[in-house]
Amino acid sequence: DVKVTQSSRYLVKRTGEKVFLECVQDMDHENMFWYRQDPGLGLRLIYFSYDVKMKEKGDIPEGYSVSREKKERFSLILESASTNQTSMYLCASNTRGGSPLHFGNGTRLTVT
Amino acid sequence: GENVEQHPSTLSVQEGDSAVIKCTYSDSASNYFPWYKQELGKRPQLIIDIRSNVGEKKDQRIAVTLNKTAKHFSLHITETQPEDSAVYFCAATYNFNKFYFGSGTKLNVKP
Repeated sequence: DVKVTQSSRYLVKRTGEKVFLECVQDMDHENMFWYRQDPGLGLRLIYFSYDVKMKEKGDIPEGYSVSREKKERFSLILESASTNQTSMYLCASNTRGGSPLHFGNGTRLTVT
Repeated sequence: GENVEQHPSTLSVQEGDSAVIKCTYSDSASNYFPWYKQELGKRPQLIIDIRSNVGEKKDQRIAVTLNKTAKHFSLHITETQPEDSAVYFCAATYNFNKFYFGSGTKLNVKP
């Protein structure tokens, strides 16, 4: 069974801090994704990576960056956290050839 | 990019009744349409999906229909049970790359 693991379930950070959210998948998937989930807004795509060191912006990339140095790991970086980045962050992965998204358990980030 | 709209935002049904959730999409190139169920505090889980070359797919009490001409697809749950209570998301994608999600439907099945 595909396993997508997010390193933290809950995080509390202060405004202005640099924040790293880590995601690891164990199924050799080419594609990895970061979504943000807010009530009433569904899941909004922040960034998508289709290969090591390759990335594409999603719908809401402002204030975020990503890093994919290894195939199994995809990191989301908040360069300077702000209170409006308080949210649930979901990582997902799938195969390029065509499979559904498999999600991690999510990281609930609170920025105070 | 793709825009997916989902209705209703909340749906309350009596146990045993049917529930229908509808989604529309904007990009005619989209060719894969999954539905995810998210229980409280858990990750979204795939419950059913449909590809653009198919009009309908059924899996026990759950079915999905797709109308490519009108660019809409629907989730149908029959004989609802309390354990069907959750938030449901539709999504659309072209070739399994970027997945675009609807805003979600909170389904409440009353015993």
